[in-house]
Amino acid sequence: DAGVIQSPRHEVTEMGQEVTLRCKPISGHNSLFWYRQTMMRGLELLIYFNNNVPIDDSGMPEDRFSAKMPNASFSTLKIQPSEPRDSAVYFCASSLASREETQYFGPGTRLLVL
Amino acid sequence: SQKIEQNSEALNIQEGKTATLTCNYTNYSPAYLQWYRQDPGRGPVFLLLIRENEKEKRKERLKVTFDTTLKQSLFHITASQPADSATYLCALGGNTPLVFGKGTRLSVIA
Repeated sequence: DAGVIQSPRHEVTEMGQEVTLRCKPISGHNSLFWYRQTMMRGLELLIYFNNNVPIDDSGMPEDRFSAKMPNASFSTLKIQPSEPRDSAVYFCASSLASREETQYFGPGTRLLVL
Repeated sequence: SQKIEQNSEALNIQEGKTATLTCNYTNYSPAYLQWYRQDPGRGPVFLLLIRENEKEKRKERLKVTFDTTLKQSLFHITASQPADSATYLCALGGNTPLVFGKGTRLSVIA
């Protein structure tokens, strides 16, 4: 199994530009999570999907952030327009939707907004 | 609001000793608790799960305890090795998605 796949692995962009992060969950998993990790705040849940439906997006910091999951094998997290404070590592994770879900994380996308 | 505290940002121990990491929480009643390991430049990797009705769980050199009265979990690595050096995250779960602590960076010195 290839595990959770994220792209790109690194992204450097200028303030105001649109950024799109991509995730392919593990086949058969029906829950998908987007996290942001910084030194100051640790690992924060942004949004999660169950069976492709957004369940809780209360962690999305602003309207500049949006996420979609058009099918079971693909999700995107978009930031438009990007700001320097968005610089962080963004992780995607997937799991089987069980009560005691073990989450499988991707390698992350390291985003730097200049 | 929910709050999770891991005892320290960094912990240095000598090879062969037992490392003990602490996870405390407030304003939450988790049904279970998980521990993850994160290496630099990588995503967290699941290690162990312990449920609210379990006192202790073991896996090879790892041991986790869960005290719902103290609202605390302890994570032990016995006979620690330099390869155990990493950041360890605790995460609380239940009726809501996992909530992660900030982690403790463990360094095992040869």
